[in-house]
Amino acid sequence: GAVVSQHPSWVICKSGTSVKIECRSLDFQATTMFWYRQFPKQSLMLMATSNEGSKATYEQGVEKDKFLINHASLTLSTLTVTSAHPEDSSFYICSARDRSGRVNEQFFGPGTRLTVL
Amino acid sequence: RKEVEQDPGPFNVPEGATVAFNCTYSNSASQSFFWYRQDCRKEPKLLMSVYSSGNEDGRFTAQLNRASQYISLLIRDSKLSDSATYLCVVIGYNFNKFYFGSGTKLNVKP
Repeated sequence: GAVVSQHPSWVICKSGTSVKIECRSLDFQATTMFWYRQFPKQSLMLMATSNEGSKATYEQGVEKDKFLINHASLTLSTLTVTSAHPEDSSFYICSARDRSGRVNEQFFGPGTRLTVL
Repeated sequence: RKEVEQDPGPFNVPEGATVAFNCTYSNSASQSFFWYRQDCRKEPKLLMSVYSSGNEDGRFTAQLNRASQYISLLIRDSKLSDSATYLCVVIGYNFNKFYFGSGTKLNVKP
């Protein structure tokens, strides 16, 4: 149980385009999902906390107009990187907290590798 | 100052060796502590929780020292399959945020 999927698993796009990444909890309901970014040889950095039915909470330094988050249902959150640039190339990972599970437990998706040319 | 600090390594050890990783955290109000394992280009996977009383799972032993704000992971009888990056994770006082260390890379050689 507790499976989280992400789609796509990798994407290559041209500079200036927008890219949407989906995060789904497959066998549980997630009121809260988290979006992380990981650059090579660095730690996962929390970008934003996505709450179902309300606005996402962004970490300091993360532009909310550039990284649009929509958590429209209890099993789906999307991250849209708008007008992507090469410096946005990174590994984007989501995680989800089971609404009926332990508060300190998060289940991670397999990640999406974004390359912006 | 970073929330969680780890020695990046790499630790290069032969099969069968015992290796230990350390991690320090800055916020004394942190509530929960974990070790995650991350293979190259994959998502992190939970290895084990860390308690003040110590936690052992087979060849892996984790320890927490709240007074020193220090977490450790000991791997005995290293296997080739243990090669990965080990991430120290600390959960903030409100249980909402995971803070990841930058990871310690382990290479187990035959």
